[in-house]
Amino acid sequence: AQTVTQSQPEMSVQEAETVTLSCTYDTSENNYYLFWYKQPPSRQMILVIRQEAYKQQNATENRFSVNFQKAAKSFSLKISDSQLGDTAMYFCASLSSNDYKLSFGAGTTVTVRA
Amino acid sequence: NAGVTQTPKFQVLKTGQSMTLQCAQDMNHNSMYWYRQDPGMGLRLIYYSASEGTTDKGEVPNGYNVSRLNKREFSLRLESAAPSQTSVYFCASSVGNQPQHFGDGTRLSIL
Repeated sequence: AQTVTQSQPEMSVQEAETVTLSCTYDTSENNYYLFWYKQPPSRQMILVIRQEAYKQQNATENRFSVNFQKAAKSFSLKISDSQLGDTAMYFCASLSSNDYKLSFGAGTTVTVRA
Repeated sequence: NAGVTQTPKFQVLKTGQSMTLQCAQDMNHNSMYWYRQDPGMGLRLIYYSASEGTTDKGEVPNGYNVSRLNKREFSLRLESAAPSQTSVYFCASSVGNQPQHFGDGTRLSIL
């Protein structure tokens, strides 16, 4: 079983600034996949970024990037140049390559201030 | 392209009533999932179906049943609803290790 921990329930950031969300996970597998999902007030679950554990290079997607530290089992998300539309709850998730079950963290609510 | 469609979007039940949440995907995905989302707890897996004809329990299966009707459809049934099952329910689908695609969710309140 995989567990995912997000230690920051809420974060606030000024528009155009940068915010970093923390995520740690625990797994006994060597090959797995990590994700960040965004859930705006509309309740939709939107994929932000995906990282394969066997790849050392950190994934980036426009203003979103991750810092993947495999040995430390850490997977943080950096949002650069924050925009009002980034206001949402962000979930870190880990996918097992054995059974393709997705385990979620409790989420971090990000509020971008104008 | 509709993706993952869940019905209904909202429902209010009385304790003891039964109901089935419907989910359908049009992406030809093999795997389908049902989650519940409660405040402060993220999404928790109720049941999943790795392929047509198979279903397995997730983290919180008690009080629920599922049916993988065909490759497209995966339903979740509450036989005797309890207030503890008040939650937002999400259906998702995927293929292999690719990201899961989620429906828009069903907000279920049990009085």
